[in-house]
Amino acid sequence: LAKTTQPISMDSYEGQEVNITCSHNNIATNDYITWYQQFPSQGPRFIIQGYKTKVTNEVASLFIPADRKSSTLSLPRVSLSDTAVYYCLVGTIYNQGGKLIFGQGTELSVKP
Amino acid sequence: DTGVSQDPRHKITKRGQNVTFRCDPISEHNRLYWYRQTLGQGPEFLTYFQNEAQLEKSRLLSDRFSAERPKGSFSTLEIQRTEQGDSAMYLCASSYSRQGVGEQFFGPGTRLTVL
Repeated sequence: LAKTTQPISMDSYEGQEVNITCSHNNIATNDYITWYQQFPSQGPRFIIQGYKTKVTNEVASLFIPADRKSSTLSLPRVSLSDTAVYYCLVGTIYNQGGKLIFGQGTELSVKP
Repeated sequence: DTGVSQDPRHKITKRGQNVTFRCDPISEHNRLYWYRQTLGQGPEFLTYFQNEAQLEKSRLLSDRFSAERPKGSFSTLEIQRTEQGDSAMYLCASSYSRQGVGEQFFGPGTRLTVL
């Protein structure tokens, strides 16, 4: 099973770009990489998902190198409301089963 | 649609009692997942359903835990003979996926406290 490792915490200032890296050395061939955001007392919220190379949506970018042993979530121009815990999730679901492994999370604090 | 809902939001019970939680997924979603989250940790995968079939169970899901999803709609998670170590947030999520993982939509969770 892929074990994921993330920095425990990060600090940033409003308007800066934030990059959070997740290591997943044992990622399997069919595993996807997904990032979620979680605020206190709420369930996680989907940010972005990828399999390889680069994926971009309206809120973030996800960079995945060729060996797929790590991934980097990039948040452009963060604001105070981006203060939250960010989790990477590695795994996949088949029609017959599957496994999903969350990292321990990175607590991002955005300061004015 | 109002998203994934969970009931109750909070449950306090005494050790040894049985508890049951309910999850109502987004109506058109074919997959439903249960996770457990303790303070300062990421969610831990417990089990998942594709329609009414339970297709994966984590080793974390001891014999005291059972989950059902009758008719592929709502799901229940029951914990029998609760222990203090069962205290956690229990999260439910749903998704519509044909392959891979897809975007999971999480409910607000049920916080269980075992005294």
